[in-house]
Amino acid sequence: KAGVTQTPRYLIKTRGQQVTLSCSPISGHRSVSWYQQTPGQGLQFLFEYFSETQRNKGNFPGRFSGRQFSNSRSEMNVSTLELGDSALYLCASSLSSTNTDTQYFGPGTRLTVL
Amino acid sequence: GDSVTQMEGPVTLSEEAFLTINCTYTATGYPSLFWYVQYPGEGLQLLLKATKADDKGSNKGFEATYRKETTSFHLEKGSVQVSDSAVYFCAFRSGSARQLTFGSGTQLTVLP
Repeated sequence: KAGVTQTPRYLIKTRGQQVTLSCSPISGHRSVSWYQQTPGQGLQFLFEYFSETQRNKGNFPGRFSGRQFSNSRSEMNVSTLELGDSALYLCASSLSSTNTDTQYFGPGTRLTVL
Repeated sequence: GDSVTQMEGPVTLSEEAFLTINCTYTATGYPSLFWYVQYPGEGLQLLLKATKADDKGSNKGFEATYRKETTSFHLEKGSVQVSDSAVYFCAFRSGSARQLTFGSGTQLTVLP
């Protein structure tokens, strides 16, 4: 079974631009979560989607948004990019969103904001 | 609030040495506990998990036991290999919060 895939793997943008990242979950998984990883803040939760509905949101500004499609694929969007948005963005999928479910991670998208 | 305290790194060991990475958590309810590993340039891979008190998770020679009384989930391996060099993250999912809460990560380097 194919794992979680994320596209693109690398992105370079300039301040003020916007960016869209894509995530395809493991087949059959209905929950998709997004995390931001930076050297200073570590791994921080952005949001979770389940059956096209946002179930949970982390403490990030409204510039960060996401959505999930009927095939469970998910996108996240960051508008008006700032230098501090440079990070590795990780997507994770799980069968459902219960606490015992394992989240499986993709390889991430490395975003650099210049 | 919910948090994970993980042993500070970096940790450098010789091949075949014993490894312990300490992890304690503060969580509401009854969390499920996880160890993930991240190799350079990659995402996180699940190493092992435990979903209730006294459960022992194990994989690839790594073990961790869910200790509710001490709110700990320490990672151990009896004999590390060079290929175990990576960053290790302790994490939990708890209560109504469906997201993973992560520790800060421990960089492990194993020398031949």
